[in-house]
Amino acid sequence: EIVLTQSPATLSLSPGERATLSCRASQSVSSYLAWYQQKPGQAPRLLIYDASNRATGIPARFSGSGSGTDFTLTISSLEPEDFAVYYCQQRSNWPNTFGQGTKLEIK
Amino acid sequence: QVQLQESGPGLVKPSETLSLTCTVSGGSVSSGSYYWSWIRQPPGKGLEWIGYIYYSGSTNYNPSLKSRVTISVDTSKNQFSLKLSSVTAADTAVYYCAREKQWLDYWGQGTLVTVSS
Repeated sequence: EIVLTQSPATLSLSPGERATLSCRASQSVSSYLAWYQQKPGQAPRLLIYDASNRATGIPARFSGSGSGTDFTLTISSLEPEDFAVYYCQQRSNWPNTFGQGTKLEIK
Repeated sequence: QVQLQESGPGLVKPSETLSLTCTVSGGSVSSGSYYWSWIRQPPGKGLEWIGYIYYSGSTNYNPSLKSRVTISVDTSKNQFSLKLSSVTAADTAVYYCAREKQWLDYWGQGTLVTVSS
């Protein structure tokens, strides 16, 4: 099973700042990686797929990059609604797996 | 707009079978373009993919749960279902159903299932 390790576990930033979240895979997943956002009491929402493509309706401040084993989700300028937990997920090898999450909190 | 809704008991006794159904509206489980998945999330923890089914009935299960999981589809009711047998407290989680077209693009709201006597 491919293990996805996200860092940091918690990121404390202020609105308007730039957020950089990392996801590292235990083996190459090519570009078969997605990012999801989850707010309390809600289901996850697809943000980025195939490492760098924004899902429908996702604002341009969200961007993804990387391939192989190292991936980054960047939020260029944080809005109040962006504070949430973010998960990466791979579909290169079954079982599809998720990272343990990065909590983005207001500083 | 596609919507998914989980339903089923919120409390299951240890050693019994957890049964949940996902009803799909605004789309068809018979569409050959999608897979239909179950994912779970223990309270305060991360996400675990349980498995998925195609409209034809073909399935794929997480090896960690494979011996206890059955996912089925009822195209006449536009539903798919999850059964997890021999549950323990470790199976307490929010269970989500979701649509997958390479990625999970539509999710149900989730339902909390607690395993307790």
